[in-house]
Amino acid sequence: GAVVSQHPSWVICKSGTSVKIECRSLDFQATTMFWYRQFPKQSLMLMATSNEGSKATYEQGVEKDKFLINHASLTLSTLTVTSAHPEDSSFYICSARRTEGVYNEQFFGPGTRLTVL
Amino acid sequence: SQQGEEDPQALSIQEGENATMNCSYKTSINNLQWYRQNSGRGLVHLILIRSNEREKHSGRLRVTLDTSKKSSSLLITASRAADTASYFCATRQGNKLVFGAGTILRVKS
Repeated sequence: GAVVSQHPSWVICKSGTSVKIECRSLDFQATTMFWYRQFPKQSLMLMATSNEGSKATYEQGVEKDKFLINHASLTLSTLTVTSAHPEDSSFYICSARRTEGVYNEQFFGPGTRLTVL
Repeated sequence: SQQGEEDPQALSIQEGENATMNCSYKTSINNLQWYRQNSGRGLVHLILIRSNEREKHSGRLRVTLDTSKKSSSLLITASRAADTASYFCATRQGNKLVFGAGTILRVKS
């Protein structure tokens, strides 16, 4: 199956700093990537849809200036949490959509645990 | 709301028993998928059932789909301790994959 990686797998930062999370599709090209946030014992909530070469589409209630998304290539999307605060502590999961095939399969990264002190 | 509903929210069973989780969704679908997530890890795709299918099997997994009721169920037979995880259904809404609230399954050995 297709592999999606995320880096880092976990990060601890001080309040007010910015953190960048990378999402890579390792063996396929993904024109579309998705960023989800998951709080403990809750489901995945879609934050934004990242399209290669264009601006990301953010879900209602997600601040685009706080969660900067860049999808500069067909295999890489980055999420930058700017001026992070403790309430941004969460598990961030990216997903890459492979457009070949019938069902436009979507593959998930292993997630990044962000802890803001 | 992005999410459909799943029940139960949490399920605790003994090893060897069967576990059934239900999912309801709100919109018309082409297919419905089930995923597993071990604690603090990423998602593992389990099975996809198309809207014209009523039942599908994969190993110890059995998925049903009732499009008239907009609901699906996931049955895990002969559960094992390693099945302990959260289970989510997901449906596609346009370009987005939207997840249900999930069921936390604990299999006690």
